[in-house]
Amino acid sequence: QSALTQPASVSGSPGQSITISCTGTSSDIGAYDYVSWFQQHPGKAPKLMIYEVNNRPSGVPDRFSGSKSGNTASLTISGLQTEDEADYFCSSYTSSNTPFVFGTGTKVTVL
Amino acid sequence: QVQLVQSGAEVKKPGASVKVSCKASGYTFTHYVIHWVRQAPGQRLEWMGWINAVNGNTKYSQKFQGRVTLTTDTSATTAYMELSSLRFEDTAVYYCARESQYNRATLTLNYWGQGTLVTVPS
Repeated sequence: QSALTQPASVSGSPGQSITISCTGTSSDIGAYDYVSWFQQHPGKAPKLMIYEVNNRPSGVPDRFSGSKSGNTASLTISGLQTEDEADYFCSSYTSSNTPFVFGTGTKVTVL
Repeated sequence: QVQLVQSGAEVKKPGASVKVSCKASGYTFTHYVIHWVRQAPGQRLEWMGWINAVNGNTKYSQKFQGRVTLTTDTSATTAYMELSSLRFEDTAVYYCARESQYNRATLTLNYWGQGTLVTVPS
């Protein structure tokens, strides 16, 4: 099972909006709405930011939003803040024998 | 509050096995699925498998099939991940994580352990 494809890095200035893409196939993102996004700061465990494409867990700021179109999911961070600088990973349910796959990861830099 | 506390770092020789524990507290252990995810240094997250603490059912990644075993001890509210035939490429931080909803496995992981570093020297 190949990893979902994400850009290696995305950057933006404080207050700007950025979007991270996560490209899969018709067997994963394109077929199911079980797409999650995780934020990971260095040396820390991942933190759930978005689940089921566009739902935010309690406590996650509403400047984080998710969407999906076809085989590509996206995470948008509006009003970028310095604490948003981290790695971000997407994940999806798949129809393969290995039911879950993560993305390649995106490093977000706040300029 | 929900907590997942993992066992400490391990150094293992190639060919050996490692067993990592994940002690759960703050919720009804037998109501949720626990996943295991690993991350090699500087690399992406990699899903290894899940165990349903409701009924003991498991599902493994094809990559680890035959080498990984997930178990639970419900009396100790602890989940375990055992990985055998270790090789250098298994050097990674291993995480346990809990699903957000009862008896579901959708990778909606809102509680994570602190991670356990397993090192397999080359």
